[in-house]
Amino acid sequence: QQQVKQSPQSLIVQKGGISIINCAYENTAFDYFPWYQQFPGKGPALLIAIRPDVSEKKEGRFTISFNKSAKQFSLHIMDSQPGDSATYFCAARGTSGSRLTFGEGTQLTVNP
Amino acid sequence: ETGVTQSPTHLIKTRGQQVTLRCSSQSGHNTVSWYQQALGQGPQFIFQYYREEENGRGNFPPRFSGLQFPNYSSELNVNALELDDSALYLCASARWGTGELFFGEGSRLTVL
Repeated sequence: QQQVKQSPQSLIVQKGGISIINCAYENTAFDYFPWYQQFPGKGPALLIAIRPDVSEKKEGRFTISFNKSAKQFSLHIMDSQPGDSATYFCAARGTSGSRLTFGEGTQLTVNP
Repeated sequence: ETGVTQSPTHLIKTRGQQVTLRCSSQSGHNTVSWYQQALGQGPQFIFQYYREEENGRGNFPPRFSGLQFPNYSSELNVNALELDDSALYLCASARWGTGELFFGEGSRLTVL
């Protein structure tokens, strides 16, 4: 099963709040889990990524938490800003090069 | 270092026609992959190219075909266009095996 399930579909957060987006996967062969940010009319931009041998990775205001036994991972955006308003996609890579399986996306709105 | 560039940015075709989309990889990258992103959905893997050969294909019919050139640029060809082919087509490049995909801004195809 190659599916990656993402929730919520949309999220509204106040400026300065924490945004949390969750993803779950089924294929235990996945070995790399990136998050992408996409603005309207633009291509997805790599935000942060984690490998399954690590439980957490932090880069600035962005943190990935990874639970291998539950086959779940999440993106936390601390101190959310209006400029963070975008669509966020989780993804997972199998063992074949550049093949990513994407979640359905979460539309984040950060109100000023 | 130049990023991934795609052309054309927008195009309109009629059902049954053929289309060719082009992509220039980011400098230093030897793998290119193509994704289809329907409105409001996550990107779907079409195929990837490494060393000028197709190396992995998603659930897309043979009328979707591609090429990778010695300079690592690539083309996506779609024959016998159908209305459902209307989407944003994304090209991504990477160094083989890293999983770190860098996307272009996409080509928006509308089939009438």
